[in-house]
Amino acid sequence: SQKIEQNSEALNIQEGKTATLTCNYTNYSPAYLQWYRQDPGRGPVFLLLIRENEKEKRKERLKVTFDTTLKQSLFHITASQPADSATYLCAGGEGQNFVFGPGTRLSVLP
Amino acid sequence: EPEVTQTPSHQVTQMGQEVILRCVPISNHLYFYWYRQILGQKVEFLVSFYNNEISEKSEIFDDQFSVERPDGSNFTLKIRSTKLEDSAMYFCASSVGPRGPDTQYFGPGTRLTVL
Repeated sequence: SQKIEQNSEALNIQEGKTATLTCNYTNYSPAYLQWYRQDPGRGPVFLLLIRENEKEKRKERLKVTFDTTLKQSLFHITASQPADSATYLCAGGEGQNFVFGPGTRLSVLP
Repeated sequence: EPEVTQTPSHQVTQMGQEVILRCVPISNHLYFYWYRQILGQKVEFLVSFYNNEISEKSEIFDDQFSVERPDGSNFTLKIRSTKLEDSAMYFCASSVGPRGPDTQYFGPGTRLTVL
């Protein structure tokens, strides 16, 4: 079955460093990947979308890459801040329906 | 900024009872979705809805579940006879349209507790 994996359940980094989160997909080829932020008890909030024919996308301190050979997306937060602490979800889509990964809980330590 | 809203924020029900979860999608969006998230687990797709009919549904969305757009603004999820394992956070989402990759905007969720 279609599967999205995020290799770290939790990631702790120091404030100011770059956080790198990994998303791998198996058993399908999503046409695009999206990254969401989820805070406890809240709904996912959209951050970035990258299509399969795009190598990299940026938005402010965020950067996402899509490597169809490795079947992987990397999500980077540069100059991380404690306010970036949240769970980050990767979701792969072929149309209108997404398969979500389990998320990586990021903690940025002051 | 327009947003998806959901009511109630928390619903407690007895096993076997029917519940209706309500959502108001963003007004110019055409695609609507329901997801659920069991505590500590990942977000799972339930169903998508377009042009007044179900577009896709997952294995989770069995005969106990139904969706409806009763008027021009609301989108509802009904669970006919709730089970303990239906306890979860239910998220509604909406997106602009059916062409190509489309960002889904999520509501704040309804926490359903089945006793």
